[in-house]
Amino acid sequence: GENVEQHPSTLSVQEGDSAVIKCTYSDSASNYFPWYKQELGKRPQLIIDIRSNVGEKKDQRIAVTLNKTAKHFSLHITETQPEDSAVYFCAASHPGNTPLVFGKGTRLSVIA
Amino acid sequence: GAGVSQTPSNKVTEKGKYVELRCDPISGHTALYWYRQSLGQGPEFLIYFQGTGAADDSGLPNDRFFAVRPEGSVSTLKIQRTERGDSAVYLCASSLGGTVNTEAFFGQGTRLTVV
Repeated sequence: GENVEQHPSTLSVQEGDSAVIKCTYSDSASNYFPWYKQELGKRPQLIIDIRSNVGEKKDQRIAVTLNKTAKHFSLHITETQPEDSAVYFCAASHPGNTPLVFGKGTRLSVIA
Repeated sequence: GAGVSQTPSNKVTEKGKYVELRCDPISGHTALYWYRQSLGQGPEFLIYFQGTGAADDSGLPNDRFFAVRPEGSVSTLKIQRTERGDSAVYLCASSLGGTVNTEAFFGQGTRLTVV
């Protein structure tokens, strides 16, 4: 089955700097790669997703890149703000709304 | 509209007891998923429903765990003879379903503590 690895497990950045979180997946049949943000005690919420037919997607300060050949994808947050502090999870799934396989998460701390 | 709702939000039970966790998905969402999240870990898949049927239950850890979705809407996760290792946050999510992947919306979870 699918296996998703996520790095780093913790990340601290100064406010205004950029943050990058990287994930790899094992199953070449996976074609959907969402990123979720989870604040302490809250539910995971989708912040951006990418499908395997594109290599990059951007939404304001957040961008995701996908390299299908290498089976890795990355989350980029620019101009970080304290409210970006949370745990971020990458995930992968096959076509057809099949269950997501999650990475173990990255705890991002943005220091003011 | 309303999001995914889970009840109860917290459940404390004694080892060996039976528990039921409920999930109300977003109206019209045909796909429903149960995950389990332990402290410091990502959500771990348990079972997936497409409509009323369990399309994939390969994540259920053993036969003490069972889930139903009799009318294709509300789902109940049932755990028999609970063990301390079952303590975790149980998350439910729903999505539109279909052939194109769409956003999975999560509930706030049920924190289960087995003492």
